[in-house]
Amino acid sequence: GAVVSQHPSWVICKSGTSVKIECRSLDFQATTMFWYRQFPKQSLMLMATSNEGSKATYEQGVEKDKFLINHASLTLSTLTVTSAHPEDSSFYICSARNPRSSYNEQFFGPGTRLTVL
Amino acid sequence: QKEVEQDPGPLSVPEGAIVSLNCTYSNSAFQYFMWYRQYSRKGPELLMYTYSSGNKEDGRFTAQVDKSSKYISLFIRDSQPSDSATYLCAMSASGGGNKLTFGTGTQLKVEL
Repeated sequence: GAVVSQHPSWVICKSGTSVKIECRSLDFQATTMFWYRQFPKQSLMLMATSNEGSKATYEQGVEKDKFLINHASLTLSTLTVTSAHPEDSSFYICSARNPRSSYNEQFFGPGTRLTVL
Repeated sequence: QKEVEQDPGPLSVPEGAIVSLNCTYSNSAFQYFMWYRQYSRKGPELLMYTYSSGNKEDGRFTAQVDKSSKYISLFIRDSQPSDSATYLCAMSASGGGNKLTFGTGTQLKVEL
């Protein structure tokens, strides 16, 4: 149990276009999901906390108009990278909090590798 | 200074060796300490979860937390090639289901 999926697993897009990444909790309901960004050989950096039915909470330095987050249901959160540029190329990972897990912990998706040309 | 420091490695050990992985941190508000394992191009999976100071053992894995020194460790006994991965420490002031601060991860390779 506690499986989190992401789609797509990788995407290549042209500079200036928008890209949507989906994060789904497959076997549990998640009122809270998180979006992270990971650069090569660097740690996961929390971008925002996504709460079902309300606005996301963004970390300091993360542009909310550039990284649009929607958490419309208890099993789906989406991250849209708007007007993508090469510096947005990164590995994006979502996680979902499972309130029924032993430690109320986050379960991570497999990640989405974004390459902006 | 980063809130969490972790040696990125790579660390290479022979099969069967005892592996010691460590993190230091600066934020005294951290109360919850986790170790995640991440295989290449995959998301992290939780290995160990510890609250406050002390030791916790689970099979071949032992996690230690020393809050007085702001130092945490993960020991892997009888290491196997399948243990080859990146190990990330993560910490939180309010539980594993809330904001996590990660170390950079240590890349481990266990060789036959």
